[in-house]
Amino acid sequence: KNQVEQSPQSLIILEGKNCTLQCNYTVSPFSNLRWYKQDTGRGPVSLTIMTFSENTKSNGRYTATLDADTKQSSLHITASQLSDSASYICVVFDRGSTLGRLYFGRGTQLTVWP
Amino acid sequence: SAVISQKPSRDICQRGTSLTIQCQVDSQVTMMFWYRQQPGQSLTLIATANQGSEATYESGFVIDKFPISRPNLTFSTLTVSNMSPEDSSIYLCSVRGRLAGETQYFGPGTRLLVL
Repeated sequence: KNQVEQSPQSLIILEGKNCTLQCNYTVSPFSNLRWYKQDTGRGPVSLTIMTFSENTKSNGRYTATLDADTKQSSLHITASQLSDSASYICVVFDRGSTLGRLYFGRGTQLTVWP
Repeated sequence: SAVISQKPSRDICQRGTSLTIQCQVDSQVTMMFWYRQQPGQSLTLIATANQGSEATYESGFVIDKFPISRPNLTFSTLTVSNMSPEDSSIYLCSVRGRLAGETQYFGPGTRLLVL
């Protein structure tokens, strides 16, 4: 069964600190893995897209890693800011059907305190 | 990139009524989708909106409950029919191209509460 599991479910950190969010997946055949940020009351916004051959990809203070062998990904946030408070969703795209489909994790709710 | 707008942004409805949600994209897109996001849950695909033909529904979702229109490549509507409190959720419109590596963009969502 294709699944995407994220941990932790929620996380509270102090402003300026770093944090790492985890994603494990069983989706096959794998095409790419995406991290999205969803602010409260808004739709998800793409942070990174990583294919099978990419181990690391950065977008500003966000760095995503991918280990396609163990089917694990992480999202590292450096020097957190209050605006980083949001839900971070791991999404895996498979290519098993003609047009492919996305599998969503439940998200990690990050709260950054001043 | 694609900019997506949805109307209404939120609504409170009585059970048994219907609500139509509109999705407008600022450019022509190949693939358009409707998702539901319930509190604390992951996004669930309702259907793929096909231009000029019937939508393709996922398991557990039917056309009578969630009729969808897509008259052109930039606009779609989702109707939530005969609503019950279980339909309270966020409904999201989403678009992408046909290629596997393309970003999928999401609208801001419509927050629905059914009393």
